[in-house]
Amino acid sequence: TQLLEQSPQFLSIQEGENLTVYCNSSSVFSSLQWYRQEPGEGPVLLVTVVTGGEVKKLKRLTFQFGDARKDSSLHITAAQPGDTGLYLCATGTYKYIFGTGTRLKVLA
Amino acid sequence: DTAVSQTPKYLVTQMGNDKSIKCEQNLGHDTMYWYKQDSKKFLKIMFSYNNKELIINETVPNRFSPKSPDKAHLNLHINSLELGDSAVYFCASSRTPGQGWGMNYGYTFGSGTRLTVV
Repeated sequence: TQLLEQSPQFLSIQEGENLTVYCNSSSVFSSLQWYRQEPGEGPVLLVTVVTGGEVKKLKRLTFQFGDARKDSSLHITAAQPGDTGLYLCATGTYKYIFGTGTRLKVLA
Repeated sequence: DTAVSQTPKYLVTQMGNDKSIKCEQNLGHDTMYWYKQDSKKFLKIMFSYNNKELIINETVPNRFSPKSPDKAHLNLHINSLELGDSAVYFCASSRTPGQGWGMNYGYTFGSGTRLTVV
């Protein structure tokens, strides 16, 4: 069974700082999705990466897919309190699995 | 205009009771799922249904019985509730996995049902 390890598990930073969250697996991903979950809500899809080495940008968020498609990163530039939430990577088809999650708190 | 709606939002019940959670999606998706999120926020798949057919049953106790009357609905019935069943249960939907997922497409989740067994 493929396991997705995310790091760090927790992150508390000041507004304006940059941060990177990682998602790693021992297996190759066919594709990988990143989600953000806010308290009391379900995860919301941010992006899908498919091609090794791919980089996608969503405003201040930059997503990178490793060349070997076994890892991915999410970089946030100039974090804001609105970025606070649980960030999850996920992969699979019918048996879609989620990573262990990174809880981000951005302090004003 | 809710895409995936679950009811109820909160459910508090005693051990041994039977309860149901309902889920409906209006996105035209043909695949629906149930996930359980534990206190450590880990999301684990329970069931996958495609066109009303069970595709994945991820070693869930048979006290949990999903039912999909049509492609837009997937309900979850739980018999003989136990303390360990306390969690947040999420319903989700998607297109048939793999179709168009290179085009920034994934799952759409409901807002969850917080189940507390006392």
